[in-house]
Amino acid sequence: GQQVMQIPQYQHVQEGEDFTTYCNSSTTLSNIQWYKQRPGGHPVFLIQLVKSGEVKKQKRLTFQFGEAKKNSSLHITATQTTDVGTYFCAWGSQGNLIFGKGTKLSVKP
Amino acid sequence: GAGVSQSPRYKVAKRGQDVALRCDPISGHVSLFWYQQALGQGPEFLTYFQNEAQLDKSGLPSDRFFAERPEGSVSTLKIQRTQQEDSAVYLCASRRGSSGNTIYFGEGSWLTVV
Repeated sequence: GQQVMQIPQYQHVQEGEDFTTYCNSSTTLSNIQWYKQRPGGHPVFLIQLVKSGEVKKQKRLTFQFGEAKKNSSLHITATQTTDVGTYFCAWGSQGNLIFGKGTKLSVKP
Repeated sequence: GAGVSQSPRYKVAKRGQDVALRCDPISGHVSLFWYQQALGQGPEFLTYFQNEAQLDKSGLPSDRFFAERPEGSVSTLKIQRTQQEDSAVYLCASRRGSSGNTIYFGEGSWLTVV
């Protein structure tokens, strides 16, 4: 079956440092989505990537979808305390949506 | 409604009790999902509806779990004879179309089984 790993599981950074989380699949993905979940909150959609090699930016966040559509990354430049939370990748499968295990980001002011 | 609404927000059940969790999706949304999220874990897929049809229930952990969406709108997740390992947040999400679009989550129903 499809195996998608999300790494790292945890990341602790000093405010102002950069942060990256990765999702790697053993098979080609049709699309990938990224969600953010604040502590005590629910997952909130950030972005969807569909095309091979796609790069999208949202202010300090940069999302990439690999050329082979087997990996994706979320990079945050100059983290702020408001970036704290868990970031999940998710991928579609026959209408369903499966989530990775997430990367929990903590930011030290 | 404006967003996905879930009730109750918090439920404490005694082991062996039955519980019912309700989800009101965004009006007009075709797809509806139920996820289970244990503390510190990612959302684990339970089941998926397209309108009133339950297209995938492969994530339901046992036959104690049952979900329905009889009129293609409101959905109910029922857990019979609750056990301590059922303690989790149960998240409902909806999507406008049948695939590909963003899914929108509700605030979740926090279930504690004592």
